[in-house]
Amino acid sequence: DVKVTQSSRYLVKRTGEKVFLECVQDMDHENMFWYRQDPGLGLRLIYFSYDVKMKEKGDIPEGYSVSREKKERFSLILESASTNQTSMYLCASREAGGPTDTQYFGPGTRLTVL
Amino acid sequence: GENVEQHPSTLSVQEGDSAVIKCTYSDSASNYFPWYKQELGKRPQLIIDIRSNVGEKKDQRIAVTLNKTAKHFSLHITETQPEDSAVYFCAASRGGSQGNLIFGKGTKLSVKP
Repeated sequence: DVKVTQSSRYLVKRTGEKVFLECVQDMDHENMFWYRQDPGLGLRLIYFSYDVKMKEKGDIPEGYSVSREKKERFSLILESASTNQTSMYLCASREAGGPTDTQYFGPGTRLTVL
Repeated sequence: GENVEQHPSTLSVQEGDSAVIKCTYSDSASNYFPWYKQELGKRPQLIIDIRSNVGEKKDQRIAVTLNKTAKHFSLHITETQPEDSAVYFCAASRGGSQGNLIFGKGTKLSVKP
């Protein structure tokens, strides 16, 4: 059974703080993803990584960066949090086979930036 | 750019009725179309998917149809039950080797007992 975990379910930060969101998967998946979920906007891809130390920008990378030093862990970094980054953040992982492999999601981190 | 449109945004049905959610996509290279269900407070989970070489796929009470010519695909749920109440997301794969997914904006389905 695939397990994707995220470091926090709820997080409250102040404007300008540096924020780290962490995601860990235990299925030796090659690919990992960060999405943000906002009401009425669906799931939007922020960044993805198809291997260790590899990263690619998604559709809305501005204001975010990522780190993948180990295969099982993918971190999302908000260098200087802003109120418009208040959102639900979902991590996902999948095997390296390509788009037809299932993406497995983590439980999400609801981030509030005050 | 690539886009996936999903309709309706909300859908309310009586228990036992059918529900249909429709999506259209813009990328001609899309060849994989999954549907995810997200119950309140939970993570999205894959419920069914279809590949471009197939026109229809069924799994018990749910089915997905694909019309590649028209670039649209639909989710059909028959004999709806209260536990079907959730937000449903359609998605389409992007062309190219990465094959990431583009998600629709979601449909909130409410099944009234």
